[in-house]
Amino acid sequence: EAQVTQNPRYLITVTGKKLTVTCSQNMNHEYMSWYRQDPGLGLRQIYYSMNVEVTDKGDVPEGYKVSRKEKRNFPLILESPSPNQTSLYFCASSATLAKNIQYFGAGTRLSVL
Amino acid sequence: QKEVEQNSGPLSVPEGAIASLNCTYSDRVSQSFFWYRQYSGKSPELIMSIYSNGDKEDGRFTAQLNKASQYVSLLIRDSQPSDSATYLCAVNISPDYKLSFGAGTTVTVRA
Repeated sequence: EAQVTQNPRYLITVTGKKLTVTCSQNMNHEYMSWYRQDPGLGLRQIYYSMNVEVTDKGDVPEGYKVSRKEKRNFPLILESPSPNQTSLYFCASSATLAKNIQYFGAGTRLSVL
Repeated sequence: QKEVEQNSGPLSVPEGAIASLNCTYSDRVSQSFFWYRQYSGKSPELIMSIYSNGDKEDGRFTAQLNKASQYVSLLIRDSQPSDSATYLCAVNISPDYKLSFGAGTTVTVRA
């Protein structure tokens, strides 16, 4: 089954404790992206990757890091989480850049206390 | 100015009626336009994509695109309670790798 898998689905942590949210896709997609979703603000892009070892900032990259060492994986790293990073996070992937139809993971709900 | 703006909701329609959702965008060179549906607590799922001016129909859904007016809309005909969700407009902002989303319009279909 074609899918984008995120883990964990739910996470409660404390300020400053480094965490990683994993994302994996089994569709051999080149393009992957991370979004956060907050009430009234819609989906905002954090980082994206066009291929292995190629990443770039989206609209709200501050406080986040990513890596793309393998085509299928695109982890999101919060080196020192803060309460304003409490949000719902989605990973997405797409096969092409031109049409950019994105497939989303189930989401990770993060709370930073 | 936001890159993608949607008409504010929530939108409440009776079952069987037409729900009309609107979206405007700021980037004149955008080429790809999408409507995603998101149920509460779930991830967005693509329901329509449109790339050229005019109408595109898929079942009860019709997307309309007018690039000159920088406007894209979604019509849901014969609305069903299962259509109750938040609808997100997304636009491919140049260069091609960025997809910008509107804040979403929540639709409630009354039985």
